[in-house]
Amino acid sequence: AQKITQTQPGMFVQEKEAVTLDCTYDTSDPSYGLFWYKQPSSGEMIFLIYQGSYDQQNATEGRYSLNFQKARKSANLVISASQLGDSAMYFCAMRVDSNYQLIWGAGTKLIIKP
Amino acid sequence: GAVVSQHPSWVICKSGTSVKIECRSLDFQATTMFWYRQFPKQSLMLMATSNEGSKATYEQGVEKDKFLINHASLTLSTLTVTSAHPEDSSFYICSASRDHYGYTFGSGTRLTVV
Repeated sequence: AQKITQTQPGMFVQEKEAVTLDCTYDTSDPSYGLFWYKQPSSGEMIFLIYQGSYDQQNATEGRYSLNFQKARKSANLVISASQLGDSAMYFCAMRVDSNYQLIWGAGTKLIIKP
Repeated sequence: GAVVSQHPSWVICKSGTSVKIECRSLDFQATTMFWYRQFPKQSLMLMATSNEGSKATYEQGVEKDKFLINHASLTLSTLTVTSAHPEDSSFYICSASRDHYGYTFGSGTRLTVV
């Protein structure tokens, strides 16, 4: 079964610290993509970072990096030097290339403390 | 970058009336559009997938006659909630993709049925 698991319902992190949000996935499809989205209280879904299953290097986008461990089927999001504006819900999602739909995790609510 | 406009941002309607939500890709042609529903503090739930010029594919459990989806052009998809009832109150969000590898989200619509 195709599935995304985010085991951290909520996290509190001190401002300026790094934070790791966990995501594990399950699929038998050899071709897939992994996404992280941020959803602030306003509701919009903001794309953060993408990792393809065949990408050799971990993806990075500014303060965001994706720790992709294919053998462990994990795709953790790392946010360096957290800021108050990082407080939001974070969703991990997987695209399976057989049907191009996104499968979503339950999300992690991140709160950055000043 | 790719931009998707979703209107209205919020709507309040009386029970029994219909509401139309528009999702428009502003600077790209969307091969596929997705409609999601999100309950408070939960993840996104895919309602249907639509391709331009063809009928939408609904997920199991989603009432086709209640949630009418039209994808008349490569830049516009609409979701009509027919004969809305209080249990239809939710956050609805669309997503558009031009190449099945990137997904751009609208800002969402908060529907309240009174």
